[in-house]
Amino acid sequence: ETGVTQTPRHLVMGMTNKKSLKCEQHLGHNAMYWYKQSAKKPLELMFVYNFKEQTENNSVPSRFSPECPNSSHLFLHLHTLQPEDSALYLCASSQGAGELFFGEGSRLTVL
Amino acid sequence: TQLLEQSPQFLSIQEGENLTVYCNSSSVFSSLQWYRQEPGEGPVLLVTVVTGGEVKKLKRLTFQFGDARKDSSLHITAAQPGDTGLYLCAGAKTSYDKVIFGPGTSLSVIP
Repeated sequence: ETGVTQTPRHLVMGMTNKKSLKCEQHLGHNAMYWYKQSAKKPLELMFVYNFKEQTENNSVPSRFSPECPNSSHLFLHLHTLQPEDSALYLCASSQGAGELFFGEGSRLTVL
Repeated sequence: TQLLEQSPQFLSIQEGENLTVYCNSSSVFSSLQWYRQEPGEGPVLLVTVVTGGEVKKLKRLTFQFGDARKDSSLHITAAQPGDTGLYLCAGAKTSYDKVIFGPGTSLSVIP
């Protein structure tokens, strides 16, 4: 298995739908992250969890709701999204600060 | 204002050529990382540099951290089509700070 696994790889949803992105890490790391990658923009940090506790919320709209039930799993719950939320959503993990190990990403399209 | 600037933004070269891409900041970083991201995939960590003036080699890739720990460069010798991708630099000002990413250099190596 790869170190960080994200599902689904591709997701198309309407603005009224509710869906969730899932991330699982098999590296024994303590921290997990959600990043958003849009065209022509740098990677944007959304949320950080350390030992299951949220330590960073980078002014993310409430239509994005993270959940971290344990240090190996991270979810991003999505509801009433906007077309501008279409992007590649990347999950990452790390052991402390610095080196990040990313999943392959979930490509989200909001119609 | 970008804390980390990368140049050039785009680079298209012939197979076999050499190239250098740059990552610059006005801030001092405790460490810098370089990642490569292929289309539709997550970034993959290439290297971490932590000491001012440090040089690290990874096959045909040479990474250097500036003496003042404000900048870094990545030199690729005899580029190959497999080197094509988005090269991202990232850094943290201290070991407790969140990692920030530069906008990336998109490299295309033409066979």
